[in-house]
Amino acid sequence: QKEVEQNSGPLSVPEGAIASLNCTYSDRGSQSFFWYRQYSGKSPELIMFIYSNGDKEDGRFTAQLNKASQYVSLLIRDSQPSDSATYLCAVKVSYGGATNKLIFGTGTLLAVQP
Amino acid sequence: DGGITQSPKYLFRKEGQNVTLSCEQNLNHDAMYWYRQDPGQGLRLIYYSQIVNDFQKGDIAEGYSVSREKKESFPLTVTSAQKNPTAFYLCASSIRQGALNEQFFGPGTRLTVL
Repeated sequence: QKEVEQNSGPLSVPEGAIASLNCTYSDRGSQSFFWYRQYSGKSPELIMFIYSNGDKEDGRFTAQLNKASQYVSLLIRDSQPSDSATYLCAVKVSYGGATNKLIFGTGTLLAVQP
Repeated sequence: DGGITQSPKYLFRKEGQNVTLSCEQNLNHDAMYWYRQDPGQGLRLIYYSQIVNDFQKGDIAEGYSVSREKKESFPLTVTSAQKNPTAFYLCASSIRQGALNEQFFGPGTRLTVL
């Protein structure tokens, strides 16, 4: 069973701080990793994806990937109350041929305190 | 406006009834997906379709059925065989099945069994 693990939280950070969200995955062959943000009652929206080891930055967001440790993280700098949401980690896994699927973690609830 | 629409937003079903959830996209995407989300859990794949008139079971297909007669439409039927159908149902699409970084989600349908 291919799995993606996240701490459910809540992760509480003060406004302006750095929020660090973590995710581990079991399939060593996974190549693509995604972070989605989901506000309560809404659908997920893609905020970052990363394929290569190292860091990828987009505005206040930085995704970090360490394939040797099977670990992917999302850093949110200068956290704002509007960042309060559940963050879902997803990993693309292959099931042979052209069949690929996303396996989602259970999500981490982030609460940014004003 | 391009995007994915799902209807209805809320749906109530009596036990033993079949219900059909609508998903329409005007993004000209080949691939479409149905996910289910339960409280405190990640998204789980029910069915996916890579092209018109073709679809495959996901991880939790029992009690569900789909059709893909048009590129734009991928309706999901929740049958009476689905023992615990109360959940948030999300439809998604991508240009092609492997293009998961371009997967867009619809707004979701919240199904409640009375």
